[in-house]
Amino acid sequence: AQKVTQAQTEISVVEKEDVTLDCVYETRDTTYYLFWYKQPPSGELVFLIRRNSFDEQNEISGRYSWNFQKSTSSFNFTITASQVVDSAVYFCALTPNSGGYQKVTFGIGTKLQVIP
Amino acid sequence: NAGVTQTPKFRILKIGQSMTLQCAQDMNHNYMYWYRQDPGMGLKLIYYSVGAGITDKGEVPNGYNVSRSTTEDFPLRLELAAPSQTSVYFCASSYGYYEQFFGPGTRLTVL
Repeated sequence: AQKVTQAQTEISVVEKEDVTLDCVYETRDTTYYLFWYKQPPSGELVFLIRRNSFDEQNEISGRYSWNFQKSTSSFNFTITASQVVDSAVYFCALTPNSGGYQKVTFGIGTKLQVIP
Repeated sequence: NAGVTQTPKFRILKIGQSMTLQCAQDMNHNYMYWYRQDPGMGLKLIYYSVGAGITDKGEVPNGYNVSRSTTEDFPLRLELAAPSQTSVYFCASSYGYYEQFFGPGTRLTVL
């Protein structure tokens, strides 16, 4: 069985602060993919990043960065110098990479509010 | 590319009515999904499809049906609507187990 835990249900930060959203996962599969999605107040879910379990390099995209640590089964997401437009619910997700249909497990999401 | 489109965007149903939520994608993705999202909750998988003619149940299939006659379309049918089906419904598609692309959602209220 696989599980994705996003322990922070809601976070509030003041604009320009850095914020890290935690994601801890459980899986028995040796190969898998991890994802982050963003759901702004408008409601649509937007894909942010996919990470293969083979690739533990951290990734940076503008103000966004992701820290993947297999040793702690974590895939944390940091927003640097947060902006009001970052206010959204962020979902972490996991799927095995073992052929055929594999269930995608989503976390319950972390609601981020950036206060101007 | 339009990506994933869903119609309608909003709908109010009376208890016992039926309706079909439409979903289409133009990315030639093989996998398609239907989720529901209740307020403050995550996503729950209703049904999924790995290709035309192949569908299977997700976590919460009761009260719903799907079909997939083409790669592009994946309609969700609600029979005998109940208040418990009040939710936001998202359709998504993916190429295998890569990232999913979501439609804008359908907000359904059953009164």
